[in-house]
Amino acid sequence: DAGVTQSPTHLIKTRGQHVTLRCSPISGHKSVSWYQQVLGQGPQFIFQYYEKEERGRGNFPDRFSARQFPNYSSELNVNALLLGDSALYLCASSLGFGAFFGQGTRLTVV
Amino acid sequence: GENVEQHPSTLSVQEGDSAVIKCTYSDSASNYFPWYKQELGKRPQLIIDIRSNVGEKKDQRIAVTLNKTAKHFSLHITETQPEDSAVYFCAAKSSGDKLTFGTGTRLAVRP
Repeated sequence: DAGVTQSPTHLIKTRGQHVTLRCSPISGHKSVSWYQQVLGQGPQFIFQYYEKEERGRGNFPDRFSARQFPNYSSELNVNALLLGDSALYLCASSLGFGAFFGQGTRLTVV
Repeated sequence: GENVEQHPSTLSVQEGDSAVIKCTYSDSASNYFPWYKQELGKRPQLIIDIRSNVGEKKDQRIAVTLNKTAKHFSLHITETQPEDSAVYFCAAKSSGDKLTFGTGTRLAVRP
């Protein structure tokens, strides 16, 4: 029984570049959310998608965007990377109340 | 928007003792309160949750209590074991599926 899967697990990018992170939710889950977790802090909400529609957006700049596909998988895109974007990016899928996280993508911007 | 405060930031207990972590929230519309355990380098793992129509929930050595009037909820771990050592996050859900997390509590259980 597969949980939430994310790819890639680690990524190193240069300032100014663009990155795409991918997430496959638990089978049957239609809601996908993205969070950013900086070392030593709790996850911060970026986006939520349900049935391919954006249902919520956190306090992040327009450089961050996302989408959800018909199979409920999702992509998070970040343009013009800054050093401060270095973090663990977590995807969570949900069927109702409980949110279950993937292992995350560790993004390092140099 | 919602604001969740969590304390203490660090907690050290002797194996077998109890540990209590407390959180407060600001948005009275919040209706769901999960707790996550995150071990070093791993994903946050949902360990217990409570909805706003329930005052207490227990699962083996873990329990959560909710006081809606005071807008605070707590995690109680009894008979702590070394494998309970991790960072614990509380969270609150208000609008949609957005979870607002606390700042985390690093729990160390001394053998």
